[in-house]
Amino acid sequence: QSVLTQPPSVSAAPGQKVTISCSGSGSHDHVSWYQHLPGRAPKLLIYDSNKRPSGIPDRFSGSKSATSATLGITGLQTGDEADYYCGSWDSSLTANWVFGGGTKLTVL
Amino acid sequence: QVTLRESGPALVKPTQTLTLTCSYSGFSLTTSGMCVSWIRQPPGKALEWLGRIDWDDGKYYSTSLRTRLSISQDTSKNQVVLKMTNVDPVDTATYYCARTYLYSSGWYFPDYWGQGTLVTVSS
Repeated sequence: QSVLTQPPSVSAAPGQKVTISCSGSGSHDHVSWYQHLPGRAPKLLIYDSNKRPSGIPDRFSGSKSATSATLGITGLQTGDEADYYCGSWDSSLTANWVFGGGTKLTVL
Repeated sequence: QVTLRESGPALVKPTQTLTLTCSYSGFSLTTSGMCVSWIRQPPGKALEWLGRIDWDDGKYYSTSLRTRLSISQDTSKNQVVLKMTNVDPVDTATYYCARTYLYSSGWYFPDYWGQGTLVTVSS
């Protein structure tokens, strides 16, 4: 069972916006988000809760509140259909990284 | 261009030791702030972090697996090696290595990942 909790699935139509939440207990600051297409290497979309690596379009955004983080994707494309994972260092343990359970995004 | 590639046996018998190699290019593990993490994903399940080795040879392991894991590096070959002892069918998974970097915020994030290698544990 994952320490970080994500909804199992979300869906939206092309061109629409979707958000994926990542909530957890303990201290989980500085969240990152990954896009995982089957058979491909996971791709970093967001780090430090709200920063985009170079090359990641601004359709992808991240935000953080006191108890949860959120990934937002606007202008949905069929190519965005993938599994999305949040992750963070768990400062309550000794330098352990934890992932959320993953969210399957379906672009209808 | 940063690339990582995992290699190792596709099939391992229960109780054996699994050895996987991560060959990387485009960065140096001797650079301050640079690390390599190992992560796995059992079929149909979520990602699970296994451990990390740092530029200063610091090593960190998953609390639940630390007694079975060992991570080492050979910087002359640009390789990181993961050893997992006493494997069980529940260890069947795709194993990934990922560059993990200390960003300006002072936190480490896995950023570049390999494609992964599927390891099946079965007799």
